[in-house]
Amino acid sequence: DIVMTQTPLSLSVTPGQPASISCKSSQSLLHSDGKTYLYWYLQKPGQSPQLLIYEVSSRFSGVPDRFSGSGSGTDFTLKISRVEAEDVGVYYCMQGIHLPPMYTFGQGTKLEIK
Amino acid sequence: EVQLVESGGGLVQPGRSLRLSCAASGFTFDDYAMHWVRQAPGKGLEWVSGISWNSGSIGYADSVKGRFTISRDNAKNSLYLQMNSLRAEDTALYYCAKLPTVTTWFDYWGQGTLVTVSS
Repeated sequence: DIVMTQTPLSLSVTPGQPASISCKSSQSLLHSDGKTYLYWYLQKPGQSPQLLIYEVSSRFSGVPDRFSGSGSGTDFTLKISRVEAEDVGVYYCMQGIHLPPMYTFGQGTKLEIK
Repeated sequence: EVQLVESGGGLVQPGRSLRLSCAASGFTFDDYAMHWVRQAPGKGLEWVSGISWNSGSIGYADSVKGRFTISRDNAKNSLYLQMNSLRAEDTALYYCAKLPTVTTWFDYWGQGTLVTVSS
């Protein structure tokens, strides 16, 4: 099974400063169709997770452009160019194999504001 | 409006069974694979199980394989999770979700139903 490892596990950032989260997979996520099914989620306190990034670097509808995703193969990064107070919560990377269904989340990275 | 409403959670003794349900509305349920994702108190997200649109392909996390069974009834727009031989470590909030796929990069999540396994 694919293991997803995130670092750091917690982050304290001053508003307006950048933040970066790393996600490494135990095997390449490059699919036979040439795409990479790596996603980023944010779970705000008391809420269900919300999709930020799909297929490594595409922002989901309504996600501010201060969020960006990059990477390939086994190494991926989520960057927030200028952290805002509303960005607090836990960030998860997730990989997905669709047939048979098999998904894996990273351990999560808790972002707090200084 | 898309809605996923989970039900069936509660307090159950170790070794006993529980069946979770998820009622879907606001989208074409039988177009999509569906999943159960859980979150233990204060912990991270864990994918539990998924089922393709026609029930032809099913997957389970190793932690629940052989104990949990996922199913769906497209006529009733419903997803189920039969949980047997429950353990304390199965205590969690269980979310019903449509996760992103190869062809659909959007997702839907319910609010979750809490399962507590304790004597």
